[in-house]
Amino acid sequence: DVVMTQSPLSLPVTLGQPASISCRSSQSLVYSDGNTYLNWFQQRPGQSPRRLIYKVSNRDSGVPDRFSGSGSGTDFTLKISRVEAEDVGVYYCMQALQTRGFGQGTRLDIK
Amino acid sequence: QVQLQESGPGLVKPSETLTVTCTVSGDYVSSHFWTWIRQPPGKGLEWIGHISDYGETNYNPSLKSRVTLSFDTSKRFSLKLSSVTTADTAVYYCARAIGSGRELDYWGQGTLIAVSS
Repeated sequence: DVVMTQSPLSLPVTLGQPASISCRSSQSLVYSDGNTYLNWFQQRPGQSPRRLIYKVSNRDSGVPDRFSGSGSGTDFTLKISRVEAEDVGVYYCMQALQTRGFGQGTRLDIK
Repeated sequence: QVQLQESGPGLVKPSETLTVTCTVSGDYVSSHFWTWIRQPPGKGLEWIGHISDYGETNYNPSLKSRVTLSFDTSKRFSLKLSSVTTADTAVYYCARAIGSGRELDYWGQGTLIAVSS
């Protein structure tokens, strides 16, 4: 099984400051078609998850450009260039190499 | 715009079978893959499985012996989870998955199912 490990699990951030979340997989997420199926989701309090990033670095329609994804192989990062109040919530990475699996989640709140 | 809406009984007794239904608007189940994910209260997300546009299923090995996914109509699909215990108490989400089921793009709002006697 592919294990996804996120860090940190808790991330207090000052408004306007950057934030970074790491996601590491226990094996390379490069699929046989050459794509790397690593997604990032945001779950605001009381809401269902919303996809932010797909295939490592592609931002979904309507997602602010302060969100960016990067990485390759087994190491991936979600960055928020300047945190806003609406960014509070839990962020999950998800791999789709084999049986789909999520990271533990990183709780972002405002310091 | 694709929208998904889950519906379920709210409360299920231990050892019984839980059934949750997802109704799709803006798309047809004959296109793409359709996925179930759950989230126990205060915890993280767990992928349950998906059903492809042609009915092929893929289940999380940890739940495989108890899960059945199926299509009901061209706009509705269902999850059945048998022999439930209190550990199955969770919010159950349905989602659309494109890219051979590897990219979950639209999610429902979720429905809370509690297992209790």
